[in-house]
Amino acid sequence: NAGVTQTPKFRILKIGQSMTLQCTQDMNHNYMYWYRQDPGMGLKLIYYSVGAGITDKGEVPNGYNVSRSTTEDFPLRLELAAPSQTSVYFCASSYFKVDDGYTFGSGTRLTVV
Amino acid sequence: AQTVTQSQPEMSVQEAETVTLSCTYDTSESDYYLFWYKQPPSRQMILVIRQEAYKQQNATENRFSVNFQKAAKSFSLKISDSQLGDAAMYFCASNSGGGADGLTFGKGTHLIIQP
Repeated sequence: NAGVTQTPKFRILKIGQSMTLQCTQDMNHNYMYWYRQDPGMGLKLIYYSVGAGITDKGEVPNGYNVSRSTTEDFPLRLELAAPSQTSVYFCASSYFKVDDGYTFGSGTRLTVV
Repeated sequence: AQTVTQSQPEMSVQEAETVTLSCTYDTSESDYYLFWYKQPPSRQMILVIRQEAYKQQNATENRFSVNFQKAAKSFSLKISDSQLGDAAMYFCASNSGGGADGLTFGKGTHLIIQP
């Protein structure tokens, strides 16, 4: 049982480049989330999805885009990377909203230089 | 909007002793959930314990227990018989319970276990 799988684990981007962070879960969870964690801070919600074809903005969505074409996959797209997007990114999923607790991926450490 | 405050950036405890991590929150919701997550150096986020706001009984999971004071909006985590493997960042988090829009996290407390 893989749970939530994130790729890549590490990435260095140059300013202005674009990339997609991949997230896949095999638990048939309806709800999926993207968070970022800046140094010394807690996690902040970027985007979330309550099911295939449905996405919504979280607290810090600027500079990011998401899509949810299947229940399993929830990729996060960074367009025109900026140094302010240097962070650790976590994908998470849950079956019924957040009440049952999340299953987190292991995170992607992104550095924009 | 909800806020979660962890006022202790770092705590240190001797192995086998008991330590309490503090958390306060602010919400206008009547139905909500509270969580403690552990983040070891591996970066993995691990659910430690959860509390449903409508339940008066404090949650307990083995050596981990909470002191939930609803009126004071306080949700502290007590770790008994501390072990070296408990060393990690601990995050308090809350959600409204009525929506799917995720959790609000505190800034975390770095727990050090002294052997």
